[in-house]
Amino acid sequence: DQQVKQNSPSLSVQEGRISILNCDYTNSMFDYFLWYKKYPAEGPTFLISISSIKDKNEDGRFTVFLNKSAKHLSLHIVPSQPGDSAVYFCAASYSTGFQKLVFGTGTRLLVSP
Amino acid sequence: DTGVSQDPRHKITKRGQNVTFRCDPISEHNRLYWYRQTLGQGPEFLTYFQNEAQLEKSRLLSDRFSAERPKGSFSTLEIQRTEQGDSAMYLCASSLGIRGESYEQYFGPGTRLTVT
Repeated sequence: DQQVKQNSPSLSVQEGRISILNCDYTNSMFDYFLWYKKYPAEGPTFLISISSIKDKNEDGRFTVFLNKSAKHLSLHIVPSQPGDSAVYFCAASYSTGFQKLVFGTGTRLLVSP
Repeated sequence: DTGVSQDPRHKITKRGQNVTFRCDPISEHNRLYWYRQTLGQGPEFLTYFQNEAQLEKSRLLSDRFSAERPKGSFSTLEIQRTEQGDSAMYLCASSLGIRGESYEQYFGPGTRLTVT
């Protein structure tokens, strides 16, 4: 039972353009969402998060949008840079309790010069 | 850099042997998590510590797995009688948990286990 889904295994974008990574979830009890970036042989690195009381959160080149009615969130990277090439994981959690993260399967982003 | 550290980074062992991994969380973080990641999948939750108390275990954590966090500082994850299916990246994460707040989890570099 995959509660968090990233249906695009890969995405290729040119440098300077926008990257949009998508994520869907099925459990309506999730109320906290995070994006992590992962390089090979390293642990996931936290990028940005959003609480369900918001529909947008922005941090520099990264913006996360949350559509609760559609159970969908997206990560926008503008402008994309070659150093952004990595695997991006969407994760969902509950803001109460011990807050374990439920991850999607990841999207590999390739930003070409 | 005072991030999450894990040791060893790589471990190759023969089936049936016991292995132990160590995680040192960010010093002020009271919450510690273990996850496991296999190829093509996202990390999957294994267990959770609030200070020294192990408060939650996933059904993925069979009886061969045991985790400790003595004194609420570093944590160890031991796998007894390893099987080839245990081959994975074992990730440790820590966070600062305060009631009513959500705090991000920060991950270590992981320990890659290969069981031959």
